Amino acid sequence: EVQLVESGGGLVKPGGSLRLSCAASGFTFSSYSMNWVRQAPGKGLEWVSSISSSSSYIYYADSVKGRFTISRDNAKNSLYLQMNSLRAEDTAVYYCARDRYDSSGLLPYWGQGTLVTVSS
Amino acid sequence: DIQMTQSPSSLSASVGDRVTITCQASQDISNYLNWYQQKPGKAPKLLIYDASNLETGVPSRFSGSGSGTDFTFTISSLQPEDIATYYCQQYDNLPELTFGGGTKVEIK
Repeated sequence: EVQLVESGGGLVKPGGSLRLSCAASGFTFSSYSMNWVRQAPGKGLEWVSSISSSSSYIYYADSVKGRFTISRDNAKNSLYLQMNSLRAEDTAVYYCARDRYDSSGLLPYWGQGTLVTVSS
Repeated sequence: DIQMTQSPSSLSASVGDRVTITCQASQDISNYLNWYQQKPGKAPKLLIYDASNLETGVPSRFSGSGSGTDFTFTISSLQPEDIATYYCQQYDNLPELTFGGGTKVEIK
């Protein structure tokens, strides 16, 4: 069974940093691209970043480019999101999501999400 | 950037009703369109992919159609467990994934 478990969320001040993690199990992690998708309180879904299976291709939404860094450790079956220079508008539940296959654009597997709150 | 416009933003219908949600892309996205269901406090769930293909295990009362810029998601007979927010999502412009604004479905 595919499982994705996010961690690392919490309360951080504007301008601060946070590192999210996503622990994957139940599939060959190194064979799939992964994504971070966020959802601000009471709002819709926003794609944040994606990384290919071998980390060769990395992409970001314009809203986080230059501030967030996605990475993965295939040996540890883990996905990460380093978030720097955080703003109030980054407050959201952050989900990690796995593609159906590498860079498919279909997201059939999601974690339960981790809440990031940026506030002074 | 491709924009996805969903309508309505919310609807109220009775159990057994046919429910239709539309999603319009700002440019031709062929059939690169998925539909997700999100229940309160839960992660989204993929229901329909490639505009009209039902994900394994999803009840057949859910369906999707369309291509190009105009897409439709239908629940043929609304059930109490279908109360959720539904989102369309394009993937024509990979790696960028764009979601519609969502449609909240409630029971009348």
